[in-house]
Amino acid sequence: GENVEQHPSTLSVQEGDSAVIKCTYSDSASNYFPWYKQELGKGPQLIIDIRSNVGEKKDQRIAVTLNKTAKHFSLHITETQPEDSAVYFCAASGAAGGSYIPTFGRGTSLIVHP
Amino acid sequence: NAGVMQNPRHLVRRRGQEARLRCSPMKGHSHVYWYRQLPEEGLKFMVYLQKENIIDESGMPKERFSAEFPKEGPSILRIQQVVRGDSAAYFCASSPATTQETQYFGPGTRLLVL
Repeated sequence: GENVEQHPSTLSVQEGDSAVIKCTYSDSASNYFPWYKQELGKGPQLIIDIRSNVGEKKDQRIAVTLNKTAKHFSLHITETQPEDSAVYFCAASGAAGGSYIPTFGRGTSLIVHP
Repeated sequence: NAGVMQNPRHLVRRRGQEARLRCSPMKGHSHVYWYRQLPEEGLKFMVYLQKENIIDESGMPKERFSAEFPKEGPSILRIQQVVRGDSAAYFCASSPATTQETQYFGPGTRLLVL
């Protein structure tokens, strides 16, 4: 089955700096890659996603890039703010005959220091 | 447009009791997914349901766990004879039929087994 690796597990930055979280996946048939933000005590919130026919997608301060050849994708957050502090999860789906069940990474705890 | 709703938000059970977790999908969504999250870990898929049908239960333990999504009413995840190892956060997600891979999560139910 699909395997998703996510790094780093913890990321600490100063307010205003950029943050980058990287994920790799194993199944080249995967074609949908969402990113979720989970704040303490809450459910994961979809913040951005990308499909395999696109190399990059941007939404205000967040962007996601996808390298299908290398089978990795990354989340970029610019001008970080304290409210960006949360756990971020990447996921991959679409493999195994079009399965919509995503495989999640283990998460990255982002801490933004004011 | 209300999001995915889950109740209860917190549930305490003693070993051997039953736990019933409820999930109401977003309006217009006909696909429901259940996940379990242990501390410091990612989301683990349990079961995928459509109205009155279990589509994929490959992630659900064979014993004590069951799920349903009746024609009327919320989806229910039922855990019989709970054990301490069942303590976790259980999240429900829903998706529309048109873009099944795009899942939206509820706030979760935190189950504590004493």
